[in-house]
Amino acid sequence: QVHLQQWGAGLLKPSGTLSLTCAVSGGSFSTYYWTWIRQPPGKGLEWIGEIDDRDTTHYNPSLKSRVTISLDTSKSQFSLNLGSVTAADTAVYYCARRQPNWGAEDYWGQGTLVTVSS
Amino acid sequence: QSVLTQPPSASGTPGQRVTISCSGSSSNIGSNYVSWYQQVPGTAPKLLIQRNNERPSGVPDRFSGSKSGTSASLAISGLRSVDEADYYCASWDDSLSCKVFGGGTKLTVL
Repeated sequence: QVHLQQWGAGLLKPSGTLSLTCAVSGGSFSTYYWTWIRQPPGKGLEWIGEIDDRDTTHYNPSLKSRVTISLDTSKSQFSLNLGSVTAADTAVYYCARRQPNWGAEDYWGQGTLVTVSS
Repeated sequence: QSVLTQPPSASGTPGQRVTISCSGSSSNIGSNYVSWYQQVPGTAPKLLIQRNNERPSGVPDRFSGSKSGTSASLAISGLRSVDEADYYCASWDDSLSCKVFGGGTKLTVL
């Protein structure tokens, strides 16, 4: 059974850098896309970006200048870094696995609430 | 404001059939696959439908998806109290070059 476990700092100061890591167990790293999605409190879902097993990335244009998604296949982990955070970046952040061939996110991490506050 | 438009709320009684709509444009739903997710508040979303109408293993056949032109729908038949949740549609947008979501529909089982 595939399992995604995520972790990272939950409280950041404005202008800081958000860093989250997601560990994948129970499945192959290849073929799939590894995705980050966030959800501000009481609001809907927002796609942040994704990476594939060849290290090809796609980012949401609205966040592209501040986002980096990376992959460590040796540890079966992928990570999210979001720089210059503001209160608008306060959200629950989810990691997820996306199926290839235009599939969707079938396995999700438990979510991490990240609060940006001075 | 979300790129994909969903009704904010929907409701039904146990056993009833409910449909949730998702409206987009030629740059997203009109030219790409649609997926649907169920989210119970406080938990991660769960994939219900991918590639317009494919149910992943383990998703009951009470859930079905369809697409026509620039709109898509999620149908839930034999409504149960456990179906009470938020439902989101999503699709890739060629103009924005990113995945976009609907604003979500809160389903209440009366």
